[in-house]
Amino acid sequence: EDQVTQSPEALRLQEGESSSLNCSYTVSGLRGLFWYRQDPGKGPEFLFTLYSAGEEKEKERLKATLTKKESFLHITAPKPEDSATYLCAVQAGGTGANNLFFGTGTRLTVIP
Amino acid sequence: DAGVTQSPTHLIKTRGQHVTLRCSPISGHKSVSWYQQVLGQGPQFIFQYYEKEERGRGNFPDRFSARQFPNYSSELNVNALLLGDSALYLCASSLEFGREIYGYTFGSGTRLTVV
Repeated sequence: EDQVTQSPEALRLQEGESSSLNCSYTVSGLRGLFWYRQDPGKGPEFLFTLYSAGEEKEKERLKATLTKKESFLHITAPKPEDSATYLCAVQAGGTGANNLFFGTGTRLTVIP
Repeated sequence: DAGVTQSPTHLIKTRGQHVTLRCSPISGHKSVSWYQQVLGQGPQFIFQYYEKEERGRGNFPDRFSARQFPNYSSELNVNALLLGDSALYLCASSLEFGREIYGYTFGSGTRLTVV
């Protein structure tokens, strides 16, 4: 059964204090691993898709990496506006629907 | 260019009632998916539609149904509402079925409260 576990559940950082969020996954044939950012009461906002182990992608202060078992979202010198819930999701490569299977998210708070 | 549009944004219903939620995908996107997000949890897959046909269904009771129209917009219907149906309902669109990895965009959602 597909499973996505995100840690930590919540993270408080001082502005400028770099850290990493973890997403561990078990899936039958990974087609893609997605990172989304979600602000309260809003829909998820797309950040990255990673397709294969060893792949890395960057966007401003965010960098996502992928191994065969987990993905990391590194946040460098975060700012208060980076405060949000970060969701990880996988898409399996088996037959059937091409839906995303989400973790429960990491709630990030950046303190000025 | 408009993103994924959902209506209404907020809704309050009484237990036992029926509700219809609507979604318009990004222009050119032909696949629409529905997700339920309970407070504090990640989104959970309900349905995926492509070319007006159901292509996938999550683990939800038959009270949940959906359809897609020729213009690719979609409706999610929930009958006999329960308190546990209170959630943020998200619609996501993608270019085609099987091409979600090239873009899977969510709307802002409909906040449904059942009292």
